[in-house]
Amino acid sequence: QQQVKQSPQSLIVQKGGISIINCAYENTAFDYFPWYQQFPGKGPALLIAIRPDVSEKKEGRFTISFNKSAKQFSLHIMDSQPGDSATYFCAASQSFQKLVFGTGTRLLVSP
Amino acid sequence: DAGITQSPRHKVTETGTPVTLRCHQTENHRYMYWYRQDPGHGLRLIHYSYGVKDTDKGEVSDGYSVSRSKTEDFLLTLESATSSQTSVYFCAISESIGNLFFGSGTQLSVL
Repeated sequence: QQQVKQSPQSLIVQKGGISIINCAYENTAFDYFPWYQQFPGKGPALLIAIRPDVSEKKEGRFTISFNKSAKQFSLHIMDSQPGDSATYFCAASQSFQKLVFGTGTRLLVSP
Repeated sequence: DAGITQSPRHKVTETGTPVTLRCHQTENHRYMYWYRQDPGHGLRLIHYSYGVKDTDKGEVSDGYSVSRSKTEDFLLTLESATSSQTSVYFCAISESIGNLFFGSGTQLSVL
């Protein structure tokens, strides 16, 4: 059973455009929602994370939007660059419990 | 990769043979994890450890065992490898639940 559902599976965005990746969850006890970025041949790396007491968190060109009532959260990449081409994973966890990951989104930013 | 070394980086083995993957950390982090990454499934937790000799199962633990005799080493063993265990295996470490640091992965092929 997939506890965190991620979409789309793949995404192509033109340079300078906005990339949007969505995730939905069922477990209302989740209280930590990170996004990981993975380049080919590398392990995933923490990109940005949010807790449910805020609706948005921004770090540079990366923003997480969180909708607690809809049990959804999304990653927005503003002014997308070719160097952002990677696979992105959303994840969720309940306090002091293990992270559950989405299935990943392969982003390609065309020059 | 945050002081995490996985070995080997690549391995090809035959069905029915035992295989051991090693994860070594120099960060003295408490928690260590083994994940497998497969297309369409994202990252799935196999086993994790919350201290020396303290381990627990993840969501896909069947066919795998782990051991942690020292803080810095976490071993993953496939007792009798099957083709369904062909995957990329990632070790991760964390001091607190949620912020995982991943190694570079081991590509395992079971023929």
